[in-house]
Amino acid sequence: GEQVEQRPPHLSVREGDSAIIICTYTDSATAYFSWYKQEAGAGLQLLMSVLSNVDRKEEQGLTVLLNKKDKRLSLNLTAAHPGDSAVYFCAVTNGNNRIFFGDGTQLVVKP
Amino acid sequence: DMKVTQMPRYLIKRMGENVLLECGQDMSHETMYWYRQDPGLGLQLIYISYDVDSNSEGDIPKGYRVSRKKREHFSLILDSAKTNQTSVYFCASSLWYRSSYEQYFGPGTRLTVL
Repeated sequence: GEQVEQRPPHLSVREGDSAIIICTYTDSATAYFSWYKQEAGAGLQLLMSVLSNVDRKEEQGLTVLLNKKDKRLSLNLTAAHPGDSAVYFCAVTNGNNRIFFGDGTQLVVKP
Repeated sequence: DMKVTQMPRYLIKRMGENVLLECGQDMSHETMYWYRQDPGLGLQLIYISYDVDSNSEGDIPKGYRVSRKKREHFSLILDSAKTNQTSVYFCASSLWYRSSYEQYFGPGTRLTVL
């Protein structure tokens, strides 16, 4: 089955810096890719999602890149601020609607 | 506006009691899911439902069962709850429609089994 690896598990950046989180997956038939943010004690907030025919998507300071050749998905937070501190999860969905999650990245943005 | 709802949001039960967690969505999504999340960990799939009475085990189904009698409702049942089932439970739903895809998660139910 699909295996998703997410790195780094912990990331600390200064306010205004970029933060990059990367996920790799194994199933080339993966159809849908998403990034979720989870604040302490809260649920999953969908940040961005792309279908497999999209290589790049930018929205409100976030950039998602999809490299299907290398089976790599990345999330780039440009100009991070303390409110971005949370756990971030990548999720990949296959054609059978199974959703596979990375193990999460704890992001800390220091003022 | 919350597209996937979960009830209750918080629940405390004693070991051996039965637990019913409810999930609802009004988007006519065919596929629904139950996940659990333990502190510091990711989400583990308990069950997936592809439509009414079409349920499949996920990665950790032991100790759980599900019921889906209507497309918009998906229930998770713990018969004789155990303390190691203390967790946060998330429900989700999804739909492929032509070339687009929708996926939503509920707010979670925090279950404590004493």
